[in-house]
Amino acid sequence: GQQLNQSPQSMFIQEGEDVSMNCTSSSIFNTWLWYKQDPGEGPVLLIALYKAGELTSNGRLTAQFGITRKDSFLNISASIPSDVGIYFCAGQEYGGATNKLIFGTGTLLAVQP
Amino acid sequence: NAGVMQNPRHLVRRRGQEARLRCSPMKGHSHVYWYRQLPEEGLKFMVYLQKENIIDESGMPKERFSAEFPKEGPSILRIQQVVRGDSAAYFCASSPTGRGSPLHFGNGTRLTVT
Repeated sequence: GQQLNQSPQSMFIQEGEDVSMNCTSSSIFNTWLWYKQDPGEGPVLLIALYKAGELTSNGRLTAQFGITRKDSFLNISASIPSDVGIYFCAGQEYGGATNKLIFGTGTLLAVQP
Repeated sequence: NAGVMQNPRHLVRRRGQEARLRCSPMKGHSHVYWYRQLPEEGLKFMVYLQKENIIDESGMPKERFSAEFPKEGPSILRIQQVVRGDSAAYFCASSPTGRGSPLHFGNGTRLTVT
């Protein structure tokens, strides 16, 4: 099935550092989304991107929708301990009789105080 | 504003039993989706429903799995004759419309088959 390649697989950083992760696909998506998942919880939506080239911020988070519509990145500035978790990108396909997300493989973020 | 509600949070079933997972979407949302997550993997799409209709079931296993979203009440994902390989976290999501609106997820049901 369709897959998104997300990198890096894991990151171990010090509090205060900036973080960058990205996602690539062989297919074009209408929308890119970034979610964060804490252990035992469901994914929580962080940022949604709707147009190629779009750059969107949400507090310390910034994400961009690649011009080719096949990639996206997420940056976290000045990381804090509560940023710990697994970050997933997701490409959204809709139109016709579908509306579904294809998830990336996830990036595990660990932040040392 | 209540989010997507799933129950039970944890479900243990013996091989061969049936599992029923429930999902109530966010208020105002009429589109419901089910996803499955195996340990240390991303979520995989299973099925997309609107009230009383299955819109896309391309991710559903051909046998033993079924889903419904009746006119009244929660959406139900049913797994008949469970096997150990069905053990996973099952997440429900909802959205207000079907075209491009972001999906909001519940906290999942963790199914363990013994």
